[in-house]
Amino acid sequence: EAGVTQFPSHSVIEKGQTVTLRCDPISGHDNLYWYRRVMGKEIKFLLHFVKESKQDESGMPNNRFLAERTGGTYSTLKVQPAELEDSGVYFCASSQGGVGQETQYFGPGTRLLVL
Amino acid sequence: AQKVTQAQTEISVVEKEDVTLDCVYETRDTTYYLFWYKQPPSGELVFLIRRNSFDEQNEISGRYSWNFQKSTSSFNFTITASQVVDSAVYFCALRNNAGNMLTFGGGTRLMVKP
Repeated sequence: EAGVTQFPSHSVIEKGQTVTLRCDPISGHDNLYWYRRVMGKEIKFLLHFVKESKQDESGMPNNRFLAERTGGTYSTLKVQPAELEDSGVYFCASSQGGVGQETQYFGPGTRLLVL
Repeated sequence: AQKVTQAQTEISVVEKEDVTLDCVYETRDTTYYLFWYKQPPSGELVFLIRRNSFDEQNEISGRYSWNFQKSTSSFNFTITASQVVDSAVYFCALRNNAGNMLTFGGGTRLMVKP
């Protein structure tokens, strides 16, 4: 069974540009999460989808970040316009959900560098 | 509010030594879940273990063991007879019962030298 995949693995952009990150969850997982780790800080929650619906977006830093999960399959996270402080590693995770299915499985991350 | 503290930012041991990674958590919930993840140099977060708050049994998996103590709000991770391949950053995380977000500690970088 394929794990969580993320694309691209690395992205280098200039301040003010737009970047779109993609996450494909494990097949059959209704829950999809985005996290990020900026330099020197902890891994922080951004938002949580249940199928195509945003369940919790309390961690989204500002309105420059837009996440979508059309059709309840893969998800995209767009940063527009990117700022220097957006640099970091963006992780996606998925889980089946439900009692006993709380484990979140993570992808390899996308390393974003904003210059 | 939830919080996870991994006081050890970096540990260095020589191969075959035992090493314990500390994790202390704070939560007001009575039902919660604790996790350990490993991040090898390749960068992905690899799930190691999940423990429910109502199950305080310690767990052993090969060279890995976990000691969960609710009385001290700790969920420590011990690697016995460490190997070079154990070199990685290890993260402890907490999830309460109501929400789904994970709260991570700052991570402990473990370096195992040959």
